[in-house]
Amino acid sequence: DIQMTQSPSSLSASVGDRVTITCRASHNINTYLNWYQQKPGKAPNLLIYAASSLQGGVPSRFIGSGSGTDFTLSISGLHPEDFATYFCQQSYSPPRTFGQGTKLEIK
Amino acid sequence: QVQLQESGPGLVKPSETLSLTCTVSGGSVSSGNYYWSWIRQPPGKGLEWIGYIYYSGTTDYNPSLKSRVTMSVDTSKNHFSLKLRSVTAADTAFYHCARYGGHENYAFDIWGQGTMVTVSS
Repeated sequence: DIQMTQSPSSLSASVGDRVTITCRASHNINTYLNWYQQKPGKAPNLLIYAASSLQGGVPSRFIGSGSGTDFTLSISGLHPEDFATYFCQQSYSPPRTFGQGTKLEIK
Repeated sequence: QVQLQESGPGLVKPSETLSLTCTVSGGSVSSGNYYWSWIRQPPGKGLEWIGYIYYSGTTDYNPSLKSRVTMSVDTSKNHFSLKLRSVTAADTAFYHCARYGGHENYAFDIWGQGTMVTVSS
């Protein structure tokens, strides 16, 4: 199985800040990397697919980059609604695997 | 727009079979562009892909659960289902159904709200 490791596990920031979350794959996954946002009591919501493509309806302040084994999700100009947990997920090979999550909290 | 809704018992006894159904509305489970998936999440923990099924009945399961999982699809009812046998407390989780764009975005782009299943006697 391809292991996905996110860092940090948690992050404190203020409204208006820029933050970056990192996801590392245990094997080369090309750009088969997706990012999701999850709020308490809700299902995950797709933000970014194929490492850098913005899902429809997602604000442009969410930016994904990377290829191979190292990926980042950046959020520029945090809005109050962005405080949530973020997961990366690889679609290079089954079983589809997720990172452990990064909880973004208000400072 | 396409919506998914899980249904099934919220409480299952140890050693019994967990059975859930996901009903698709606003779209067709027979669409050749998508795989219909189950993903679970123990409370406060991460996400685990259980597997998915294509409208033709072709399946792909997580090896860690493969011996206990069966998925099926009913195109006439526009829904798909999950059965997980011989459950233990470790199977207690939120169970989500999701659409996987296998020929498009290779991502889980639409999710059901999830249903909590507790394994307890």
